[in-house]
Amino acid sequence: GQSLEQPSEVTAVEGAIVQINCTYQTSGFYGLSWYQQHDGGAPTFLSYNALDGLEETGRFSSFLSRSDSYGYLLLQELQMKDSASYFCAVRGGGSQGNLIFGKGTKLSVKP
Amino acid sequence: GAVVSQHPSRVICKSGTSVKIECRSLDFQATTMFWYRQFPKQSLMLMATSNEGSKATYEQGVEKDKFLINHASLTLSTLTVTSAHPEDSSFYICSASKGDSNTEAFFGQGTRLTVV
Repeated sequence: GQSLEQPSEVTAVEGAIVQINCTYQTSGFYGLSWYQQHDGGAPTFLSYNALDGLEETGRFSSFLSRSDSYGYLLLQELQMKDSASYFCAVRGGGSQGNLIFGKGTKLSVKP
Repeated sequence: GAVVSQHPSRVICKSGTSVKIECRSLDFQATTMFWYRQFPKQSLMLMATSNEGSKATYEQGVEKDKFLINHASLTLSTLTVTSAHPEDSSFYICSASKGDSNTEAFFGQGTRLTVV
């Protein structure tokens, strides 16, 4: 089956950089995704890595190492609005299959 | 991006009644939609895969007679919680992927169900 591990909580201050790690075990790999979820809201897509390396989108970057079954989400220039839960996810059941989510990392950004 | 609309966003019902939640893909056709449940401070757990024109596939431990799923068209899937109990109170979210992309899943706004 599939499983993902990520830290449960991270705290950082405004303007700082934070890295959220994710390790995964999966029988078939179709890329690693990251989603952001604010309290009471739906998950929103942040990034996707299918190949090794770093993908940058504004203040957010995501990294993947398939040989290590490991990825991370890097958030730079943290803002208060970045306080949310962040989930890494892999596909189950094929490339169009459902998402299997990690337990989520709750990020708290302090002034 | 694509738009998935979920309705209602909040519902309060009495124990023993049934509640229907709708999930619509507004600007694309979704042969497959997914229903997740999320308890407070926990992750999203897949309940079932909804397939247009065929029976839904339920995850282990999810009662198919309690959580009825209908996917009658390429743009609409419904989840009906039958004979709701307080322990069914949760956040229910649907998602769909566009057929030409495996990179992003599009989520509905979620439905906060409270059974009293």
